[in-house]
Amino acid sequence: QVQLQESGPGLVKPSGTLSLTCTVSNGSVTNSNWWNWVRQSPGKRLEWIGQILHTGKVNYNPSLESRVTISIDTSQNQVSLTLTSVTAADSAVYYCVGDQNYYGSNYYTFFKYWGQGTQVVVSS
Amino acid sequence: DIQMTQSPSSLSASVGDSVAITCRASRPIASYLNWYQQKPGKAPKLLIFAGSKLQGGVPSRFSASESGTDFTLIISSLQPEDSAMYFCQQSYNLPRTFGQGTRVEIK
Repeated sequence: QVQLQESGPGLVKPSGTLSLTCTVSNGSVTNSNWWNWVRQSPGKRLEWIGQILHTGKVNYNPSLESRVTISIDTSQNQVSLTLTSVTAADSAVYYCVGDQNYYGSNYYTFFKYWGQGTQVVVSS
Repeated sequence: DIQMTQSPSSLSASVGDSVAITCRASRPIASYLNWYQQKPGKAPKLLIFAGSKLQGGVPSRFSASESGTDFTLIISSLQPEDSAMYFCQQSYNLPRTFGQGTRVEIK
């Protein structure tokens, strides 16, 4: 079973940069899955931040695209998230999530593997 | 973006009851709809994918159906361990979007 573990600072200052790393174990980041970042603010719905493939191809949520960078390090089996110019609104639990696919009548994808999440607070 | 609207926002039912949670997409998404369960302090867990396919290891009391842009998660014979938040999520296109969640409480 693929396991994901997020790591990074739990406290970031306003206007600063949030940087998180997701380490993948019992699996490889070079498989065909997309690796995603999802966040959840208190009392708010889950928000998809973006995703990366092992080739380096990325897709971002347009609402965050100007501030987000997702990268992959295949040698370390890690995926990283960088979010710049953070504000209190970026305080959330950040999850690293791995896709899985199902080939039925169509090609379906879903969030199968979730890290435990890491709490990030933006505060001075 | 495709908006996902869940109802109700919360419900309370007794052990053994059958409950239904609905998720409505703002436009057609075929069967590109997944359901997740989240317990306090834990990451979401996949229950249902591709509209109605039960994820391995998930109890058979969980099922799902779809009708147009409306999707329904049904928990039959509610158990104490089913107390949780439930979210729907569309995988039809990007950005991926989630419903706002439904809290299920056991009376």
